[in-house]
Amino acid sequence: GQQVMQIPQYQHVQEGEDFTTYCNSSTTLSNIQWYKQRPGGHPVFLIQLVKSGEVKKQKRLTFQFGEAKKNSSLHITATQTTDVGTYFCDSGGYQKVTFGIGTKLQVIP
Amino acid sequence: NAGVTQTPKFQVLKTGQSMTLQCAQDMNHEYMSWYRQDPGMGLRLIHYSVGAGITDQGEVPNGYNVSRSTTEDFPLRLLSAAPSQTSVYFCASIKGGNEAFFGQGTRLTVV
Repeated sequence: GQQVMQIPQYQHVQEGEDFTTYCNSSTTLSNIQWYKQRPGGHPVFLIQLVKSGEVKKQKRLTFQFGEAKKNSSLHITATQTTDVGTYFCDSGGYQKVTFGIGTKLQVIP
Repeated sequence: NAGVTQTPKFQVLKTGQSMTLQCAQDMNHEYMSWYRQDPGMGLRLIHYSVGAGITDQGEVPNGYNVSRSTTEDFPLRLLSAAPSQTSVYFCASIKGGNEAFFGQGTRLTVV
């Protein structure tokens, strides 16, 4: 699988503030998947992006795939304490799923 | 459906002991993987399998063996446990198109 760089590694936000995490690759990606892992839990699939420039929304979460398919972002509007966790992107090929280091989000009430 | 079942949830081993972490899925997925997760290191791929009878190494395979005799089961064997193998282990079953379903994890401590 192709490795991606995920930034930032950590983010603290005040509840109600927005949050964005980015995954960047030096090569063109076939697709990208996003996962969320709550503290003490296991990663849970959020979404897959496949098309160049694709934008998908899930309530307060907005996912984008870059036009060149080399980067992706996850944006959370008006964070809540339930958003706490680590967000991972995965760009693995069909046979191998590898993850970025993740962005750990802390939400201060 | 149970999804991905991983056992045990917790384990303490002494250095040099061997053990097998069990992983079973009931979704008929061809692809399964094992990861370890350490603080600040994200999820690192240990071994993966693209189908029964086929396995391959990931990023950090040393000290671990796997086999895939059936589609459902993908056990991970620690041959001679070392303190460096203290970690949280996740098994994943992967749907075609890369959606991964994870087990609950095994928290392993090697003393």
